[in-house]
Amino acid sequence: EPEVTQTPSHQVTQMGQEVILRCVPISNHLYFYWYRQILGQKVEFLVSFYNNEISEKSEIFDDQFSVERPDGSNFTLKIRSTKLEDSAMYFCASNKDNTEAFFGQGTRLTVV
Amino acid sequence: AQSVTQLGSHVSVSEGALVLLRCNYSSSVPPYLFWYVQYPNQGLQLLLKYTSAATLVKGINGFEAEFKKSETSFHLTKPSAHMSDAAEYFCAVRREAAGNKLTFGGGTRVLVKP
Repeated sequence: EPEVTQTPSHQVTQMGQEVILRCVPISNHLYFYWYRQILGQKVEFLVSFYNNEISEKSEIFDDQFSVERPDGSNFTLKIRSTKLEDSAMYFCASNKDNTEAFFGQGTRLTVV
Repeated sequence: AQSVTQLGSHVSVSEGALVLLRCNYSSSVPPYLFWYVQYPNQGLQLLLKYTSAATLVKGINGFEAEFKKSETSFHLTKPSAHMSDAAEYFCAVRREAAGNKLTFGGGTRVLVKP
């Protein structure tokens, strides 16, 4: 069964460093998303991406964040200068047409 | 704007007992509604979805949910809890059109006692 794949599963980084979280969405999906879940809190929407551009972003998704689909398969989330409060589980998701979103296993980011 | 409220951040049930997880939503347009489950250290897995067809929706692992427009609710139930149901459950709402974001509730952690 096709699935959304995220790498790495865990990432530890120093405050101020750049991190790139990687995702491979399901191959025939058209809509791509990043969500995050701070420990003990709800899952929050960050950004959605369609047709090679951002279609919607939340207030969390400030200038420190960017997304890219560099080729036909990868979808990346970059945090330019990480802060302690960026520590969270980051989920990538994708869907096709009007179907449900499929989520990856997540990347746990720890900023120290 | 959409929002989702899940009553009870923690629920404890005995094995074999009814599981009832409450979800209420607010949406200015007819919504799509979803229940996702998150097992420890794993991602989000879809349990079931409501997409304006039948109001009683059956999902995986014996779960079902009923959409009640008059009550703006989408409560999740399972007649008989199993130890493997211990997990966190999230209700989510989405506007109908493709590509729209999910708005999640706060989640309900289910503990199953033997």
